[in-house]
Amino acid sequence: GQNIDQPTEMTATEGAIVQINCTYQTSGFNGLFWYQQHAGEAPTFLSYNVLDGLEEKGRFSSFLSRSKGYSYLLLKELQMKDSASYLCAPEGGNTPLVFGKGTRLSVIA
Amino acid sequence: GAVVSQHPSRVICKSGTSVKIECRSLDFQATTMFWYRQFPKKSLMLMATSNEGSKATYEQGVEKDKFLINHASLTLSTLTVTSAHPEDSSFYICSAFSGSYNEQFFGPGTRLTVL
Repeated sequence: GQNIDQPTEMTATEGAIVQINCTYQTSGFNGLFWYQQHAGEAPTFLSYNVLDGLEEKGRFSSFLSRSKGYSYLLLKELQMKDSASYLCAPEGGNTPLVFGKGTRLSVIA
Repeated sequence: GAVVSQHPSRVICKSGTSVKIECRSLDFQATTMFWYRQFPKKSLMLMATSNEGSKATYEQGVEKDKFLINHASLTLSTLTVTSAHPEDSSFYICSAFSGSYNEQFFGPGTRLTVL
């Protein structure tokens, strides 16, 4: 089975930095996805981590620790448009993604 | 990245009618496609796994006779909601797995409203 845990909601100020944590327990693991989902829209890909460590991509960075079953998404220089749900999804190859409940991020002025 | 389309993007129908949703991988072949549904403010829930040329595998609690899935080609999977009821109103999203990218790509979703 799979178990994914993320905070339900977070609030941060425009221009700030926020870290969204995700812990997971899976029966098979290849890597971990982070998706962003705005209300009423399909999820959009943010990052995919296979190796341990931090991967930086512009304002967004994602970290993975395979041994700890832990990942985080780091958002810098927050903008209002970053208000969305962020979904953590570990995956095991050609298998369906199992999503956490997502973290609803609200960016305030 | 690869592109997945869904059609229609939005549909409103009367209770008791059937609705077909198409999911297409536009520039790659997908032997496996997945169907998800999402209720407001809820996470994506996997409904079924669709493999080209074989019967779909449904998740527990999903009625296979109500949600008919057909994956007739490597670029097309369809989900038919039969005898739709208001409680079937939801956001339906498909994804297609690309072996070349070793990644899933999501369609834009279909919002179904059953009156």
